[in-house]
Amino acid sequence: QKEVEQNSGPLSVPEGAIASLNCTYSDRGSQSFFWYRQYSGKSPELIMSIYSNGDKEDGRFTAQLNKASQYVSLLIRDSQPSDSATYLCAVPSTNFGNEKLTFGTGTRLTIIP
Amino acid sequence: EPEVTQTPSHQVTQMGQEVILRCVPISNHLYFYWYRQILGQKVEFLVSFYNNEISEKSEIFDDQFSVERPDGSNFTLKIRSTKLEDSAMYFCASINGRGLNEQYFGPGTRLTVT
Repeated sequence: QKEVEQNSGPLSVPEGAIASLNCTYSDRGSQSFFWYRQYSGKSPELIMSIYSNGDKEDGRFTAQLNKASQYVSLLIRDSQPSDSATYLCAVPSTNFGNEKLTFGTGTRLTIIP
Repeated sequence: EPEVTQTPSHQVTQMGQEVILRCVPISNHLYFYWYRQILGQKVEFLVSFYNNEISEKSEIFDDQFSVERPDGSNFTLKIRSTKLEDSAMYFCASINGRGLNEQYFGPGTRLTVT
């Protein structure tokens, strides 16, 4: 059974600071990883995908992947109140073409003005 | 920008009634999914669908559930006899299946079973 673990938080970060969100996964064969943002009562919104070890930057977001440690993280720089949401780590199954996602429980992030 | 759409946004039904949740995936996508999220819990996979048949289903997806792609655009989830525990948000998602496996979610249908 594939597992995806996240610290459920809540995580409180002052506005303008860096928010760091972490995720570990159990399946060593996993090749791709996704971060979704979910506002209360809304659907998951894809914000980052990462496929290779190392860092991937997109605006204020940086995803970091370490396959050896089975660890993926999301950094949000210059945090804004609009970043307050639950962040979901998701790992697809390794069957190409049928890549159902296994989600973590999510980390609830609150940005304090 | 293309997006996944879902209707209705909110459905209230009585226990034992049938409901059909509708989704229109992104037009050039080939793989379709339904997920469920009970209030306060994680997003859970229900079923995947490709080439007009189910690819995989979870333990949640029992005989009360069915999916269908009745035409070239719609993708439906039917619950034959709803239970109280079916109350949840139901999300439809799709991927293009041509190398990029990023799943895009619709806005969801909130199902309330009374």
